[in-house]
Amino acid sequence: DIQMTQSPSSLSASVGDRVTIGCRASQSINSYLNWYQQKPGKAPNVLIYGASSLQTGVPSRFSGSGSGTDFTLTITSLQPEDFATYYCQQSYTTPWTFGQGTKVEIK
Amino acid sequence: QMQLRESGPGLLKPSETLSLTCIVSGGSISSGSYWWNWIRQPAGKGLEWIGRISTSVSASYNPSLKSRVTISVDASNKQFSLKLTSVTAADTAVYYCAREDGTSWNRLDSWGQGTLVTVSS
Repeated sequence: DIQMTQSPSSLSASVGDRVTIGCRASQSINSYLNWYQQKPGKAPNVLIYGASSLQTGVPSRFSGSGSGTDFTLTITSLQPEDFATYYCQQSYTTPWTFGQGTKVEIK
Repeated sequence: QMQLRESGPGLLKPSETLSLTCIVSGGSISSGSYWWNWIRQPAGKGLEWIGRISTSVSASYNPSLKSRVTISVDASNKQFSLKLTSVTAADTAVYYCAREDGTSWNRLDSWGQGTLVTVSS
């Protein structure tokens, strides 16, 4: 199985901050990397797919970059509704695997 | 707009079989472009992929669960199902069904709201 490791596991930030979350795959996954946002009690929602493509309807303050084994999710100006847990997921080969999550909390 | 909704018993005893159904509305389940997935999440923990199926290709499963899992699809009723045998407390989780777009990086682009399954004697 491909292991996905996110960093950090949690972070505290203020509204308006720039936030960066990292994700590393245990082997190359090309650009088969997706990012999801999950709020408490809700299902995950896809934000970024193919490492850098913005899902329809997702605000442009979200962006993704990277290829191979190292990827980044950036939120350029954190908004109150962005406080949530973020997961990366590799879709290169089954079994699909997720990172352990990064919880973004209010400072 | 595509909608998915999970249904099934919320409480099981150890050794019983978990059976969940995901009903799909607002779109076709028969398109060969899509896969239909099951994912679970124990309380306070991360996401674990269980398996997937399409109407044209047989199911694939997470090796960690493969011996206990069966996923099937009923295209005529626009639903797909999950069976997990010999459950234990470790199978207690919120179970999600989700659509995977096989034409676009295999992203999971539509999810059900999730259903909590508790295994307890």
